[in-house]
Amino acid sequence: DAGVTQSPTHLIKTRGQHVTLRCSPISGHKSVSWYQQVLGQGPQFIFQYYEKEERGRGNFPDRFSARQFPNYSSELNVNALLLGDSALYLCASSLGRTGGTDTQYFGPGTRLTVL
Amino acid sequence: GQNIDQPTEMTATEGAIVQINCTYQTSGFNGLFWYQQHAGEAPTFLSYNVLDGLEEKGRFSSFLSRSKGYSYLLLKELQMKDSASYLCAVRSTGGGNKLTFGTGTQLKVEL
Repeated sequence: DAGVTQSPTHLIKTRGQHVTLRCSPISGHKSVSWYQQVLGQGPQFIFQYYEKEERGRGNFPDRFSARQFPNYSSELNVNALLLGDSALYLCASSLGRTGGTDTQYFGPGTRLTVL
Repeated sequence: GQNIDQPTEMTATEGAIVQINCTYQTSGFNGLFWYQQHAGEAPTFLSYNVLDGLEEKGRFSSFLSRSKGYSYLLLKELQMKDSASYLCAVRSTGGGNKLTFGTGTQLKVEL
């Protein structure tokens, strides 16, 4: 079975531009979460979506937005890019069950560099 | 808010045992996860604890004490490939499936 997939793998943008990152969850998983990981730090939670509804939002500015599609894939959009947005963006999928383990499995990430 | 602390770096010898500690403060604890992350790669799931005690999975074991806000990951029979960052993450009630991660412990396994 395929794991979580993300595209693109790497991306270089300039300040002020916008970017769209894509994620396909593991087959059968209905929940997708997005995390930002700056070098040397642990991942920071950005969003969680379940059945196309936003279930949680982290402490990120409104320049960050996301959505989930009927096939459970997801997009993360970042507008007006800043140098500080340079990071590894990780997508994680899970079954979405409340209670229980509901382990999140991470994709390979998109490495975003803002110049 | 939540606070998670783990050592920044550790070094151990191949074949030895190493224990990586994690302390946390959170309201509404709903599970603790350990992930392994090799440089430039995504985190991979290692273990999950929600009740007090030890969970064993091959060479890896994880322990939880909710009253102390404490967990550890135990790695036995260390191999060179175990050199990686080990991330402790806590999930809280009311936060969906949001995980709050520590900064990670960089483990270096030497000959």
